[in-house]
Amino acid sequence: DSGVTQTPKHLITATGQRVTLRCSPRSGDLSVYWYQQSLDQGLQFLIQYYNGEERAKGNILERFSAQQFPDLHSELNLSSLELGDSALYFCASSPPGRGFFTDTQYFGPGTRLTVL
Amino acid sequence: AQSVTQPDIHITVSEGASLELRCNYSYGATPYLFWYVQSPGQGLQLLLKYFSGDTLVQGIKGFEAEFKRSQSSFNLRKPSVHWSDAAEYFCAVGVFTSGTYKYIFGTGTRLKVLA
Repeated sequence: DSGVTQTPKHLITATGQRVTLRCSPRSGDLSVYWYQQSLDQGLQFLIQYYNGEERAKGNILERFSAQQFPDLHSELNLSSLELGDSALYFCASSPPGRGFFTDTQYFGPGTRLTVL
Repeated sequence: AQSVTQPDIHITVSEGASLELRCNYSYGATPYLFWYVQSPGQGLQLLLKYFSGDTLVQGIKGFEAEFKRSQSSFNLRKPSVHWSDAAEYFCAVGVFTSGTYKYIFGTGTRLKVLA
């Protein structure tokens, strides 16, 4: 158990809908990262927040957005969902450290999103 | 463009045998290099990482990896595989490009361990 929690575990929805995935980082961690893992695209880094502010952006679609709240939990919002958005979405957190790549990330168990 | 190649999609080894998982990257400079393991139904766990210095890096669970600049490779090794090592392994690079940080992952190698 990494200490990172993600809810819900599973989510089934229809095309065109909007969903919100939630992540609670480990106690004391300031950074939250979001990843998407799908059969088509493999594992992709989406976005990182550090202490409430966006710090790095990867292959995140414009239909997706994220935020980190004052209590450091984070939400990933996915809108206008398409079939291709079906994937496993991981959240990771890391403690404050020396730099973006030097901080060890601890991954949550993921949220499996199915778009029908 | 930056990329990571894991040429072996599946590898099967017998328990107790040695293991080497290959990883090659394409990047203009030396990237940050990582190996992660993903057990079925689980998130990723960091095995080891390389930033600079000694090119042979020791990680958790008895894994090690060697960075070879001339070959743009960062292969993962373990001298004696245990049945619990059966999982999917991802190589990743961290780069700073176009003003932002990015992680780029390989497609993964699924390891099967025979008893």
